[in-house]
Amino acid sequence: AQTVTQSQPEMSVQEAETVTLSCTYDTSESNYYLFWYKQPPSRQMILVIRQEAYKQQNATENRFSVNFQKAAKSFSLKISDSQLGDTAMYFCAFRTSYDKVIFGPGTSLSVIP
Amino acid sequence: NAGVTQTPKFRILKIGQSMTLQCTQDMNHNYMYWYRQDPGMGLKLIYYSVGAGITDKGEVPNGYNVSRSTTEDFPLRLELAAPSQTSVYFCASSYEIDYHYEQYFGPGTRLTVT
Repeated sequence: AQTVTQSQPEMSVQEAETVTLSCTYDTSESNYYLFWYKQPPSRQMILVIRQEAYKQQNATENRFSVNFQKAAKSFSLKISDSQLGDTAMYFCAFRTSYDKVIFGPGTSLSVIP
Repeated sequence: NAGVTQTPKFRILKIGQSMTLQCTQDMNHNYMYWYRQDPGMGLKLIYYSVGAGITDKGEVPNGYNVSRSTTEDFPLRLELAAPSQTSVYFCASSYEIDYHYEQYFGPGTRLTVT
C-alpha cells in the first residue's frame, strides 16, 4: 500500500528563520506527483508547491523550496524567511498513477515573533 | 468560475439518519475526490472518480456511497450515520494536462453525528 509519512507532528521557528519539514513516502511506481499543502485555521487547503517525479530539478516557489530525493523516497519542504502568516498545518501528499491522492498526517508549524 | 462548491457548510445529524453532501465544480475537471479530516489529523480519501460514470474506493469508504452522473457533480451519501463519521469533509477536483496536475479543494462541510 502507498503511504505518506510526516515524522514531525509539531514544529516551531523564529520569524525570519528557515525551517525544514520532512516527508517520506512509499511506492513502487516511477511516475507520480508530490505536493505540499498548507491549511491555515480557516481550513482552506492551499497548494504550496508541487514536484513531478520525472523532474530531477527541485521545485521552488518564492520562499518555498523542496529537496526531492527519489531514490530515498523523501520530499522535504524548506521555508525561508519564515513569516507569521506561515503558521498553519502542512500536509505532504502523493498522487499515484491510479489517480488516488494520498495525504500524510500533517505537521503543525508555529512561527514565533 | 466558482471553483469547487460544497453544501451544506455545517450539519448536525442524529445517529441512524442519512444525508447527502453536495459537491459541484465548474472547471470541467475529470477527476473528483471526497476526503474526510478528523480533528488534528490529515485527509483520508473516501472515494474518487476519474470521470462521469466511474467511481472507485479510497482509503476509508465504509459507510459512504457516491455517484458521478455528470462531470460537474459528485455527491457523497451517508447512510445510517454513526458518531465515527463526525468529521470535516472536503471535496476536490483536479485536471492533468501535459504532465501538469493540479487539485482544487472546496471549503469543507463540518458534520457532527450525535
